[in-house]
Amino acid sequence: AQSVTQLGSHVSVSEGALVLLRCNYSSSVPPYLFWYVQYPNQGLQLLLKYTTGATLVKGINGFEAEFKKSETSFHLTKPSAHMSDAAEYFCAVSGSGNTGKLIFGQGTTLQVKP
Amino acid sequence: EPEVTQTPSHQVTQMGQEVILRCVPISNHLYFYWYRQILGQKVEFLVSFYNNEISEKSEIFDDQFSVERPDGSNFTLKIRSTKLEDSAMYFCASGKSASGLQETQYFGPGTRLLVL
Repeated sequence: AQSVTQLGSHVSVSEGALVLLRCNYSSSVPPYLFWYVQYPNQGLQLLLKYTTGATLVKGINGFEAEFKKSETSFHLTKPSAHMSDAAEYFCAVSGSGNTGKLIFGQGTTLQVKP
Repeated sequence: EPEVTQTPSHQVTQMGQEVILRCVPISNHLYFYWYRQILGQKVEFLVSFYNNEISEKSEIFDDQFSVERPDGSNFTLKIRSTKLEDSAMYFCASGKSASGLQETQYFGPGTRLLVL
C-alpha cells in the first residue's frame, strides 16, 4: 500500500524567508509524486510533479521539490516566501495499478507573515 | 485555460435524501475522478472512471454511490441515501491520458455537501 505523511499541519514563515514543507512517502513501487496547492475557495492546482529523470523538479511560482529515494522524501521548498503563497499544500503519490488515483497527505497550511 | 467546473458549489440536504453532484471535466480528457475531503481530514480517493466504466473504487464507494457520464460532457456523482458522515467537500478531477498513472489531474473547485 502507498501512503504519504506531511510533517506539520501548519507552517508559519515571514515574508522573504525560506519555505520548507515536508513530505515523506511509502511505496512498494517507483512512485510518482505530486504537490498541489489549494487557495481559499478554489480547487487543487498542480505545483509540480516527479515522474522519472531529474530528481530536482521545478514548478510554478518559484517552488521546487527534490525526490530523495534513500530518504523516501519529496520536500517542497521556495527560497523566498511571498504573501500570496499563503494556502494549503498537499503532497500526493500515484497509487499502484494504472488508474492514476492519487493518495494524499494530510495537507499543510502555510501562513506568511508580513 | 480550460478548467474543471462543478455544480453546485454548496448543497445542503436532509439525511436519507438523494443528491447528485455535477462536474464538467476538461473536454479532451479521458480519465475522471471523484475525491472527497471531510473537514479536517485528508483528501480521499473515491472512484476513477474511464471508457464509460469504473476503473477503480475505494472502500468508501459503496452501493450508495454511483457515477455516470450521461452525455459525453457531464460527469456526475450520485449518493442515493445520504448519511451525516457524507458531509464533506467533493472534488472532481480529470486527466488527459489513458496512462493515468503519471498524468496531471486537474481539479474542480469542489462541492461542499452538508447533510443534516
